[in-house]
Amino acid sequence: DARVTQTPRHKVTEMGQEVTMRCQPILGHNTVFWYRQTMMQGLELLAYFRNRAPLDDSGMPKDRFSAEMPDATLATLKIQPSEPRDSAVYFCASGSGEHYNEQFFGPGTRLTVL
Amino acid sequence: SQKIEQNSEALNIQEGKTATLTCNYTNYSPAYLQWYRQDPGRGPVFLLLIRENEKEKRKERLKVTFDTTLKQSLFHITASQPADSATYLCALDDNYGQNFVFGPGTRLSVLP
Repeated sequence: DARVTQTPRHKVTEMGQEVTMRCQPILGHNTVFWYRQTMMQGLELLAYFRNRAPLDDSGMPKDRFSAEMPDATLATLKIQPSEPRDSAVYFCASGSGEHYNEQFFGPGTRLTVL
Repeated sequence: SQKIEQNSEALNIQEGKTATLTCNYTNYSPAYLQWYRQDPGRGPVFLLLIRENEKEKRKERLKVTFDTTLKQSLFHITASQPADSATYLCALDDNYGQNFVFGPGTRLSVLP
């Protein structure tokens, strides 16, 4: 059955290193969301794309984070340089139609920055 | 400031009872509100969406209400089962904007 896939599932890196997380949305979905989840802050929206165009990335620290959709089957989230406070689970979700419609979440990437 | 609160961090109930979870919001005017379920180590799973002009929505043992005057949504699980144990998140659309905001979640434990 159709599902959102994310790679890697786990990533441990050292402070200062570049981290790239990848997401494959469900085929045919035109909206893609990136979220970060921590115990303290809960689930926070980082960026939102519709038809591959970024519509909202106000939740993303611009100096170190970047999100792109090079094509309809791939979304990427990069952190450069990474910091210990970036340690979290990063979720990608996809949907169709308007942004308030049902979102299908991937399994997440658990990032640990030492 | 804008805020979403869910009644408590954790809620324990006995199997067979009705679980009621609360989502309150401040300084938002959502047109839509959603409820998700999240199990440990997994991504959230969509359960229900309710629009501002809908008072109530049902799906099997689930019922959601939406009171825009009280700025509150209630999520009910009737005849609860241990398999319903999970964290439940409410999420709302920020007034036709592009922003979608999640609440902190309530961890429900249904005891056999």
